[in-house]
Amino acid sequence: GENVEQHPSTLSVQEGDSAVIKCTYSDSASNYFPWYKQELGKGPQLIIDIRSNVGEKKDQRIAVTLNKTAKHFSLHITETQPEDSAVYFCAAEGGANNLFFGTGTRLTVIP
Amino acid sequence: DAGVTQSPTHLIKTRGQQVTLRCSPKSGHDTVSWYQQALGQGPQFIFQYYEEEERQRGNFPDRFSGHQFPNYSSELNVNALLLGDSALYLCASSRQGPDTQYFGPGTRLTVL
Repeated sequence: GENVEQHPSTLSVQEGDSAVIKCTYSDSASNYFPWYKQELGKGPQLIIDIRSNVGEKKDQRIAVTLNKTAKHFSLHITETQPEDSAVYFCAAEGGANNLFFGTGTRLTVIP
Repeated sequence: DAGVTQSPTHLIKTRGQQVTLRCSPKSGHDTVSWYQQALGQGPQFIFQYYEEEERQRGNFPDRFSGHQFPNYSSELNVNALLLGDSALYLCASSRQGPDTQYFGPGTRLTVL
């Protein structure tokens, strides 16, 4: 089955700086890669996703890049704000729309 | 438009008991997936229901079973609870086929 690795496990940045989280996956057949933000006591919230027919997607301060040859994808958050502090999960679709998640990155934005 | 809802919010059970968790999907969605999230870990896929049938299953024992009703809502049942079943159980809904999954707030299960 699909195996997703995520780094780093924790990340601290100063407010206004950028944050980058990286993931790799094992199954070359995967073609859908969502990113979720999870705040304490809540379920994961989709923040951005990308399909394998594109290499990059942006939504305001958030962007995701995908390299299918290398089987890795990354989340980029620019101009970070304290409310960006949360745990972020990458995921890869394992087929028939079931998701395999990374182990999460705890992002702390220091005011 | 109500998003995905789950009940109950929290649940405490003892080893060997059985539990039922409930999920109502987002309006317009017909597919429900269940995930288990242990503390400090990413969610792990349990199974997926569509047209009232289990379509996909992850690496979970058959103590974990489910059901989907004609209104697309779903239940997750866990029998013979173990301490290791303590986790946040998440429900996600989507439309059938390659589609975005939206998660509910989860049910926190504690097994003593």
